[in-house]
Amino acid sequence: SQQGEEDPQALSIQEGENATMNCSYKTSINNLQWYRQNSGRGLVHLILIRSNEREKHSGRLRVTLDTSKKSSSLLITASRAADTASYFCATDYAGNMLTFGGGTRLMVKP
Amino acid sequence: SQTIHQWPATLVQPVGSPLSLECTVEGTSNPNLYWYRQAAGRGLQLLFYSVGIGQISSEVPQNLSASRPQDRQFILSSKKLLLSDSGFYLCAWRFPLLGQYFGPGTRLTVT
Repeated sequence: SQQGEEDPQALSIQEGENATMNCSYKTSINNLQWYRQNSGRGLVHLILIRSNEREKHSGRLRVTLDTSKKSSSLLITASRAADTASYFCATDYAGNMLTFGGGTRLMVKP
Repeated sequence: SQTIHQWPATLVQPVGSPLSLECTVEGTSNPNLYWYRQAAGRGLQLLFYSVGIGQISSEVPQNLSASRPQDRQFILSSKKLLLSDSGFYLCAWRFPLLGQYFGPGTRLTVT
């Protein structure tokens, strides 16, 4: 089935370091979206990147999309303890629905 | 601005009891609305989506049902809860070209 898969499943870094998370998917998409989820909370929309875009920035976040490899990456620069959360990619391939991966659990140590 | 509300925030229900979770959206009209379930430590599974009043599409066969009685109201229901219905239920609405935005979620524990 169409699904984004994040890699790694868990990541632990020191404050100030960069964190990179990857997402792979299987079929052509309209767009790909990244979300953050703090423990026990709802999902916060971070960035949407369309299939004809290769890179997008938002503050300390940088998202890339390689449609030839069917993959995306989320880079968080100069990480902070408050960035500790689970990060999910979701692929929009049918225009109305998203398919989520299992997420990357990021731990940023102070 | 658009906001999405869900209630209750947490719920503990015995097996076999009914369920009703509510989601409402403010600040937009005729939104696409979605119900997802998230098992502990897992990604989200789409349960239902709706493109308009009375229009419900189900993505997985299950013990749950959904209804959309009003344009900005989406309800998730069950007549008899199972233990496997425990999870974190999230409602979302789709903002065209900008993506899906989620409510705060309802944590359901079936005992």
